[in-house]
Amino acid sequence: AQKITQTQPGMFVQEKEAVTLDCTYDTSDQSYGLFWYKQPSSGEMIFLIYQGSYDEQNATEGRYSLNFQKARKSANLVISASQLGDSAMYFCAMGANQAGTALIFGKGTTLSVSS
Amino acid sequence: DAGITQSPRYKITETGRQVTLMCHQTWSHSYMFWYRQDLGHGLRLIYYSAAADITDKGEVPDGYVVSRSKTENFPLTLESATRSQTSVYFCASSESSGGANTEAFFGQGTRLTVV
Repeated sequence: AQKITQTQPGMFVQEKEAVTLDCTYDTSDQSYGLFWYKQPSSGEMIFLIYQGSYDEQNATEGRYSLNFQKARKSANLVISASQLGDSAMYFCAMGANQAGTALIFGKGTTLSVSS
Repeated sequence: DAGITQSPRYKITETGRQVTLMCHQTWSHSYMFWYRQDLGHGLRLIYYSAAADITDKGEVPDGYVVSRSKTENFPLTLESATRSQTSVYFCASSESSGGANTEAFFGQGTRLTVV
């Protein structure tokens, strides 16, 4: 069975600093995708970044990068130069690359950015 | 408007009543999902659908019923609401399984309170 683990219930960072949100996963599939979503206090789910299991390079999207270590089964999200607007809940998710599957989510990490 | 919309946004119902949460998407995505979000549990999959008339159980299906007679609609029914079903419910859709297309697009959520 697939599983996503986010061990940090809360993280605190100051503006302009970088922060890493941890995510480990467990799967027996060879082909899968890893996703990060942001949920601000308003409640919507915002897609941030995707990494495929066969992608050789770490994914990057603006200030977001995904530190993918396949052997360790980790997919940490790195946010560079944190901003106050980054304060939110962050979810790591995984989906198998096969028909009829759904994303499974971790329990989330609450990030608080202070000035 | 294009996208995925849920209704109602907020609902208070009494224990034992039947309640239906609506979900409508305009992208013609094949896959649709229902998740519930509870503190300490992240998002948990209730049901999903790979196409019209094809549905399957997720992690926490008990007490819920779904149908998908049309590609664009995926209603979730609580047959006899219980207090444990107080939660925020998210509907999501995705283009397909596999790779980055597994990215799920979320509705705004429905906050359901069972009293």
